[in-house]
Amino acid sequence: GAVVSQHPSRVICKSGTSVKIECRSLDFQATTMFWYRQFPKQSLMLMATSNEGSKATYEQGVEKDKFLINHASLTLSTLTVTSAHPEDSSFYICSVWTGSNQPQHFGDGTRLSIL
Amino acid sequence: AQSVTQLGSHVSVSEGALVLLRCNYSSSVPPYLFWYVQYPNQGLQLLLKYTTGATLVKGINGFEAEFKKSETSFHLTKPSAHMSDAAEYFCAVSESNTGKLIFGQGTTLQVKP
Repeated sequence: GAVVSQHPSRVICKSGTSVKIECRSLDFQATTMFWYRQFPKQSLMLMATSNEGSKATYEQGVEKDKFLINHASLTLSTLTVTSAHPEDSSFYICSVWTGSNQPQHFGDGTRLSIL
Repeated sequence: AQSVTQLGSHVSVSEGALVLLRCNYSSSVPPYLFWYVQYPNQGLQLLLKYTTGATLVKGINGFEAEFKKSETSFHLTKPSAHMSDAAEYFCAVSESNTGKLIFGQGTTLQVKP
């Protein structure tokens, strides 16, 4: 399976700040990555599919101008939460998909707290 | 459309007892099924997967699951619970052509000494 590194693990910032989260595939060239959001004691909510070299595919109800995704290389996808507000506080998790009938491999998540 | 239902949001067992976490799925095509475990403030770790072949699948940490097509189930078991098994467990079914996972609601496993 793929080894996935997510950074930072935790970030606390003021309202109005933009925050970038990085997801790196350390040992696999990933054309497809996923970004999830998880609220306390809930399951994962898929936000978007990150496609290398093309635009991300957002799930219904996810603001693409709010959550900017860039997947410029086969090893790195970034999620930028623009002009973050307290309601954006959450646990964000990325994953790498290694292909047909294979599982996703997850990063360790980023705890985002907006004051 | 595919869906996953995990029966029981919270399961409590004694250390050394059998662990049984239930998962039922709905899929119009042969499913790819997965169990993941999540420890607090961490991402998800793959426990085991079923794609094709043997219906009894063995995973890490002594867990196993059996794919039962007639019952549309993929229950997770472990013969003897350890304290370290206390975590959140997610069952998921995959859309094979996109890689998207549809997750169940999760089951919190508590292990009592």
